[in-house]
Amino acid sequence: QVQLVQSGAEVKKPGASVKVSCKASGYTFTSYGFNWVRQAPGQGLEWMGSISPYNGNTNYPHKFRGRVTMTTDTSTRTAYMELRSLRSDDAAVYYCARVDPIAAAGLPLPTHWGPGTLVTVSS
Amino acid sequence: DIQMTQSPSSLSASLGDRVTITCRASQSISLYLNWYQQKPGKAPELLIYAASSLQSGVPSRFSGSGSGTDFTLTISSLQPEDFATYYCQQSYTTPITFGQGTRLEIK
Repeated sequence: QVQLVQSGAEVKKPGASVKVSCKASGYTFTSYGFNWVRQAPGQGLEWMGSISPYNGNTNYPHKFRGRVTMTTDTSTRTAYMELRSLRSDDAAVYYCARVDPIAAAGLPLPTHWGPGTLVTVSS
Repeated sequence: DIQMTQSPSSLSASLGDRVTITCRASQSISLYLNWYQQKPGKAPELLIYAASSLQSGVPSRFSGSGSGTDFTLTISSLQPEDFATYYCQQSYTTPITFGQGTRLEIK
């Protein structure tokens, strides 16, 4: 079965960087893309971007462009999301999600989610 | 960016009630509207995609409708496990955007 295991909680100072990992198992890694979605405490869901392990293509929203980098390592079946220049409002739970191409749904949809990684930003 | 607006933001209901949550897009998104359920401390789960298609394994008491800019999620008879937060999401174009969420609580 599909399983996504994320790295553990992180505590970072403002201005630092964080790199969250998401190790996948139970399917052909290069056949499905990833979305990264974050959720600040008590807040809603925010899409941070997507990456294809097949060709490395990424798509970042304007808000995060220049500050986020998503990568994958096919040898270890792991996706990564690095966020730089952390601010206090970057404190959130960061989710990776495998996306499935569902023809009727437009863009590929997150159907399998990791458990989330809590990132705390504090001086 | 396409803005997604849900209403209500919170809702109190009783077991067995029929509830409806609405989601409005700031521009037409055809049928590219999806619904997620999130329980406290857990990742979201896909319930409905393409406005009205039930994701595998989701109980039939959940249904979705709508097209263009206006969509609804209906739960026909609330069960204890349905008390959660629900999010709509558009998959028409990037950036993918979510509604602010509707918290469904027990009355």
